[in-house]
Amino acid sequence: KNEVEQSPQNLTAQEGEFITINCSYSVGISALHWLQQHPGGGIVSLFMLSSGKKKHGRLIATINIQEKHSSLHITASHPRDSAVYICAVPHYLLGGGADGLTFGKGTHLIIQP
Amino acid sequence: NAGVTQTPKFQVLKTGQSMTLQCAQDMNHEYMSWYRQDPGMGLRLIHYSVGAGITDQGEVPNGYNVSRSTTEDFPLRLLSAAPSQTSVYFCASRTTHRGWYGYTFGSGTRLTVV
Repeated sequence: KNEVEQSPQNLTAQEGEFITINCSYSVGISALHWLQQHPGGGIVSLFMLSSGKKKHGRLIATINIQEKHSSLHITASHPRDSAVYICAVPHYLLGGGADGLTFGKGTHLIIQP
Repeated sequence: NAGVTQTPKFQVLKTGQSMTLQCAQDMNHEYMSWYRQDPGMGLRLIHYSVGAGITDQGEVPNGYNVSRSTTEDFPLRLLSAAPSQTSVYFCASRTTHRGWYGYTFGSGTRLTVV
């Protein structure tokens, strides 16, 4: 059973569209991470949040602790936003040890010009 | 440049061979961890370390050993490679200092076991 669920798995949109990627998790958490993985394979941390909302450029991440749900939004999407977006929670919250992350399977986003 | 450095970038092994994937960070991060990424499975935690001399198992530790003799280095050892260990391996580090708790990832090692 995957305790971190993402939707959709795949998303294709046109340039300029507003994008939403969803993440739900099964246990109470202290923090949730959003990461981006480009076709070349590199992984970059986008956000770490424990409540409310964070914004960086055209990216916005929100979290609802009570509903165990987080969303990543991209405004005015651009082809360079094409990547895999991954949410993750601290491993210890799912019965693991003191470090590391448990990941969702990712959302493969393609923005067409 | 500051960051997490993984070597090699690519490796082909024969079944039964051993090798060490190297991971080094120059940010004085306390925490380091290893992950493997497989199609359809996502990223999974192999081992982690909370400081020099302290390591522990993650979700999928079988077939892998780690050690952490210095803050900077966290090598991952495959003692007897198996085709099931064909994967892309990522090392990551993080700190709890200076208010940023996010992870910094290496660029990955693509391993094929034949």
